[in-house]
Amino acid sequence: NAGVTQTPKFQVLKTGQSMTLQCAQDMNHNSMYWYRQDPGMGLRLIYYSASEGTTDKGEVPNGYNVSRLNKREFSLRLESAAPSQTSVYFCASSVDLTPTGELFFGEGSRLTVL
Amino acid sequence: TQLLEQSPQFLSIQEGENLTVYCNSSSVFSSLQWYRQEPGEGPVLLVTVVTGGEVKKLKRLTFQFGDARKDSSLHITAAQPGDTGLYLCAGLTGANNLFFGTGTRLTVIP
Repeated sequence: NAGVTQTPKFQVLKTGQSMTLQCAQDMNHNSMYWYRQDPGMGLRLIYYSASEGTTDKGEVPNGYNVSRLNKREFSLRLESAAPSQTSVYFCASSVDLTPTGELFFGEGSRLTVL
Repeated sequence: TQLLEQSPQFLSIQEGENLTVYCNSSSVFSSLQWYRQEPGEGPVLLVTVVTGGEVKKLKRLTFQFGDARKDSSLHITAAQPGDTGLYLCAGLTGANNLFFGTGTRLTVIP
């Protein structure tokens, strides 16, 4: 079972460059999320998509854009990368936005911005 | 804004010892989840607690949700090296937003 698959796993960018992180899930989940994880800060929500065709801002959306391409895929784009965006990014999915819904996470994408 | 503070941030113990990890907030949550994350992987759900005062047991792990639904604890009995990892609590607000805690990194030494 693939679950949630993220690409790439590692990326190094220079300040100002752009890139897109790809995420796909094969569990037929309605909701998908992008988080960033920084030391001592836990996981912070960047954007989420409650269902296909909708996206909403999370706690730290500035500098990012997202696209819910279809039910399976949810991409995160950095238009002009900054060193403050150096982080580990996690994509997650859940059946839907239920109060006790379990999140299933990918393995993470480690991004370094020089 | 960090709603959930976990303590301790780091914990290193010998195999067989007991430990408790705390997750505290000034906010009320409709539910609270605990996840464990191993190096190079994403977090994996351990448990969800919903009712104030609720206690759930998962083998050697005991989870408790505070009566006021503002805090939670995770107690591990007779820790084993396989328990090593980053433990994250996550609280769901009334607006259906899930906030993660700062994390506790546990190392169990054989």
